[in-house]
Amino acid sequence: DAGVIQSPRHEVTEMGQEVTLRCKPISGHDYLFWYRQTMMRGLELLIYFNNNVPIDDSGMPEDRFSAKMPNASFSTLKIQPSEPRDSAVYFCASSKTGNYNQPQHFGDGTRLSIL
Amino acid sequence: KQEVTQIPAALSVPEGENLVLNCSFTDSAIYNLQWFRQDPGKGLTSLLLIQSSQREQTSGRLNASLDKSSGRSTLYIAASQPGDSATYLCAVGGMFSGGYNKLIFGAGTRLAVHP
Repeated sequence: DAGVIQSPRHEVTEMGQEVTLRCKPISGHDYLFWYRQTMMRGLELLIYFNNNVPIDDSGMPEDRFSAKMPNASFSTLKIQPSEPRDSAVYFCASSKTGNYNQPQHFGDGTRLSIL
Repeated sequence: KQEVTQIPAALSVPEGENLVLNCSFTDSAIYNLQWFRQDPGKGLTSLLLIQSSQREQTSGRLNASLDKSSGRSTLYIAASQPGDSATYLCAVGGMFSGGYNKLIFGAGTRLAVHP
């Protein structure tokens, strides 16, 4: 079975540019999560969706960050304008249902470097 | 506020040793606890999920226990192998900050098993 697919795997761009990260969850999974991992703060939840609807975006750091899920098989995380402190690894994860016996499945992440 | 702590931060052992990784959490009102493995440059792989009503889960050489009342979990790895070298992350799931089954992660234990 295909896992969670993220693209690109690596992104290097200059400060001020728009960055778009993409995620395809596992087919049939109703929940999608965006996380950010840094050395200083570890893994943090940014936002999650249920059936394509954003439920909790309290982890989104600033208005420069936005996320969408136009359909059940695709989500984007956008940063505009990007800043050097946004450099991190961004992970997408999905889970089948909202039951607490369902594990989250992670993609391989996008390593983002803002120069 | 839920906080998750993992001890030790790093561990280096010779092949064949049995070892224990520790995880503690401050709020016992959890739904589940998950152990993940992260290889360099990769995403997280779910190893074991223990529901709050369970005491332990086993998968192959891995055994995870949960003592919710004391806020502790351990991951036991039997007969360690060089292929077990990775970072192991503990995460607790619960209705923290009003959100659905959010995962709060520890900082991880970096394990190196040498031949």
